[in-house]
Amino acid sequence: NAGVTQTPKFQVLKTGQSMTLQCAQDMNHEYMSWYRQDPGMGLRLIHYSVGAGITDQGEVPNGYNVSRSTTEDFPLRLLSAAPSQTSVYFCASSSVTGDSPLHFGNGTRLTVT
Amino acid sequence: DAKTTQPPSMDCAEGRAANLPCNHSTISGNEYVYWYRQIHSQGPQYIIHGLKNNETNEMASLIITEDRKSSTLILPHATLRDTAVYYCIVRGTSGTYKYIFGTGTRLKVLA
Repeated sequence: NAGVTQTPKFQVLKTGQSMTLQCAQDMNHEYMSWYRQDPGMGLRLIHYSVGAGITDQGEVPNGYNVSRSTTEDFPLRLLSAAPSQTSVYFCASSSVTGDSPLHFGNGTRLTVT
Repeated sequence: DAKTTQPPSMDCAEGRAANLPCNHSTISGNEYVYWYRQIHSQGPQYIIHGLKNNETNEMASLIITEDRKSSTLILPHATLRDTAVYYCIVRGTSGTYKYIFGTGTRLKVLA
């Protein structure tokens, strides 16, 4: 039972480069979301989705794009990486039925130089 | 979305109960209280949640006040492995479903 899978685990980018962080879940969850966590800080919501074709902005969406073409996948795109985007990124999912808790992936550690 | 307030840090002696408070004074009727913890830089781990009644599972107990404006997570016999950051979150079961995390409480269990 894989749960929420994030790839890659580590990534180093140069300023201005673009890349996509991958997130996949095998629990048929409607809700998926991306968080970033800066050193010593809490988690901040970037974008979220409540189903295929539906996305919305969270607390810190600038510099990031998302799409949700399938229930399973929710990629996060950095269009032009900046040093301020150096962070650990977590993907999470849950059912929208009832009081289902959030399930997290193991994170992607991104460094932008 | 209801916000939560937690103390930034707490210490607890190993083997004693750890009581972690959370204030959620703007919680609405259909919002649940969820607790997660994060050890080092791992993904947050779900602990327990509740609506209005007290809840207990193999990890912890959750006490919610009658007016639902605050709650307490209880780790009955804290161990060194319980050293982590603990997050209290409220989330509804309809509408946007989004989870907003605060800064949490850094619990240090002392030997």
